[in-house]
Amino acid sequence: GAVVSQHPSRVICKSGTSVKIECRSLDFQATTMFWYRQFPKKSLMLMATSNEGSKATYEQGVEKDKFLINHASLTLSTLTVTSAHPEDSSFYICSARDRRVSNTEAFFGQGTRLTVV
Amino acid sequence: AQSVTQLDSQVPVFEEAPVELRCNYSSSVSVYLFWYVQYPNQGLQLLLKYLSGSTLVKGINGFEAEFNKSQTSFHLRKPSVHISDTAEYFCAVSGSGYSTLTFGKGTMLLVSP
Repeated sequence: GAVVSQHPSRVICKSGTSVKIECRSLDFQATTMFWYRQFPKKSLMLMATSNEGSKATYEQGVEKDKFLINHASLTLSTLTVTSAHPEDSSFYICSARDRRVSNTEAFFGQGTRLTVV
Repeated sequence: AQSVTQLDSQVPVFEEAPVELRCNYSSSVSVYLFWYVQYPNQGLQLLLKYLSGSTLVKGINGFEAEFNKSQTSFHLRKPSVHISDTAEYFCAVSGSGYSTLTFGKGTMLLVSP
C-alpha cells in the first residue's frame, strides 16, 4: 500500500506554546487528508477533512482556530495545535487519499503522541 | 448517517485458539466495510476490506471477515491466533466511493500463552 509519513512520532511541549504536526504522502498525491484524534482507550474521532488548496472542513465541536490545518500541496498537510493546553494531550493520526483514483482507500500515518506539560 | 458497533471492548484468548471480533453497522446507503489493526502508539494498518462481490473477504495475517447484509454485520475471524496478534482492532464503514470513515470504538484482542 501507499505510504503516509507523519512527523514527529511524539512531542512534548509546554502549555501555551504551539506545535506543528506534519503528514506527508510519500508515493502518491494526496488530494484529501483527514486528521483524527484518539483519546486513551477510545476510537478515532475525525477532526477535519482537508482538500489540497482549499480550507479544511472541521467537524462539529472542533475549534478551527485552535487546530490549524494547512494543505498547501498534494503531498503535505500540517496540523498546528495553537496555545496548547494539557487537555490537548492526545494521539493524533492523519490519513490521506487521492480522490481522483477510484477504488483506493485512505492510508494512515503512524500517529503523533502529543503531551502538553 | 452511519454508525459502527463493536460490542466487545476486550477479547481475551489463548494462543492458537480461534477468535471472532464482532462488528455491526448501520447505514441507509451502500457501504464499504473495513477492519484495521493498531499496535501501541502506532497508526492504523488495513487488515481487509469489503467493497462488493464475495461476502467472504480474506486479509493479511490470516484474518478473514464475512459481510452479512441481512444482519448488517462484518465479523472478523482468525482460526488460530498468535501472541503477536495482540492489538486493538477497529471496524470502520464508509459510503461507497471511499467517503469519510466512521470507526467503531475498537476491540482489544489479548492473546496469552
